[in-house]
This record gives sequence, structure tokens and C-alpha cells, in this order.
Amino acid sequence: GAGVSQSPSNKVTEKGKDVELRCDPISGHTALYWYRQSLGQGLEFLIYFQGNSAPDKSGLPSDRFSAERTGGSVSTLTIQRTQQEDSAVYLCASSLGAMNTEAFFGQGTRLTVV
Amino acid sequence: GQNIDQPTEMTATEGAIVQINCTYQTSGFNGLFWYQQHAGEAPTFLSYNVLDGLEEKGRFSSFLSRSKGYSYLLLKELQMKDSASYLCAVRGNGGATNKLIFGTGTLLAVQP
Repeated sequence: GAGVSQSPSNKVTEKGKDVELRCDPISGHTALYWYRQSLGQGLEFLIYFQGNSAPDKSGLPSDRFSAERTGGSVSTLTIQRTQQEDSAVYLCASSLGAMNTEAFFGQGTRLTVV
Repeated sequence: GQNIDQPTEMTATEGAIVQINCTYQTSGFNGLFWYQQHAGEAPTFLSYNVLDGLEEKGRFSSFLSRSKGYSYLLLKELQMKDSASYLCAVRGNGGATNKLIFGTGTLLAVQP
């Protein structure tokens, strides 16, 4: 596609429910990142996929968070048993490779847990 | 571990020059990036440095000193539309990965 696409753009969920956030990277991009941004804060690294390598999950805040990337393309971030502190904008980015290439961001999914 | 520091906020005047500093400590180094983020929008790429020195792109320039773990973004001829958050990001080499880690960002307010 023309850019990184994320869906839904907004999600309101009740505390305790599970949510799935989708990211469709730029075609041909082998690297994919998930970040979380709370209001007025910086980007918190969550997880990084690079090609067929094992993902770097070191930023996932708890075992309620998981992500997968199927066929080296679309990625899904799943949050189980959502808590109010999970409310944030979840940003996905992709880059052509692992090294000296910039990451392009999607518009994000604004998650609100009520 | 990885640590990236930037000032939280800066204010500058339209038409002036502003320098936003970034210091970092990372496990390995595979490049430093600057991004611009307007309120409510996604970050957009501004510049990339992997070797020491200055990279110039129009009104924006970025400098890197790897030995000092230091970079700055220089914005010239400031315009009101430059009011945004500026994010410094470092691609490290933590183990076998090259994840991109961001600082907390510097919120720049350009005043008339």
C-alpha cells in the first residue's frame, strides 16, 4: 500500500475485555515496530519484528500483551484483560530493512479503556 | 541498557534558529534519527546520521558525535508550523536486534 495502515483508528473497550489492533505495513518492508504513546509522552517501544528472525519482545509491559506477524506482512497486537492504564495511542511503523532506513508510521489506534 | 535524553520543552521566535540536543547511551549503535510529530499526528522522518558530522536538508540540519553520544537538530528560519514535538531515536544493537528506541521528545513552541 501507499503507507502504513492501522485499524481501527479508535477503539473504546470495557475494562477486562480483550482487544486486537491491526497493522498493515508498507509492501516489501521487512521490519515492523509497535510503540505505545500516552498523552504528552514519548514513544514507548513494545515489540520489533525483523524478517524471519525471532521478534524482540523486550518492551512488552506484561504477559497480557502479545503480537504476531503473519507471513512477514500484517501484524496484530493483542491486549488481554485490558486495564485503564492500557489507554494510549498504539503506533505501528515499518522500514525497508534493519539498518540505515527510516521507519514510516501509521496514524495509530487510540485505545480507551473504560 | 539504552537511555536517550532530550530537553522536555523549548520556546523560540519565528524567523530565529533553534538547536535541540539529544544525548544517548545504547548497546551498540546503528544510526540516529530525528522525527517531527505534530499534536495528534504520527511522527514523520526528518533526518538520519550514522557517521560523525553534519547532515543538512533545507532548513533542517542534524549533527552527530558518536564518541560523545551526542546529536543535535538545528532548525533555521523558524516558521509557526515548526511548532511540534521533535523526537530523537537511536537504532541500537541490543543482542541480535536493531530496534529503534525513542527519547521522550522535545516540545518546541514557535512564537510570533
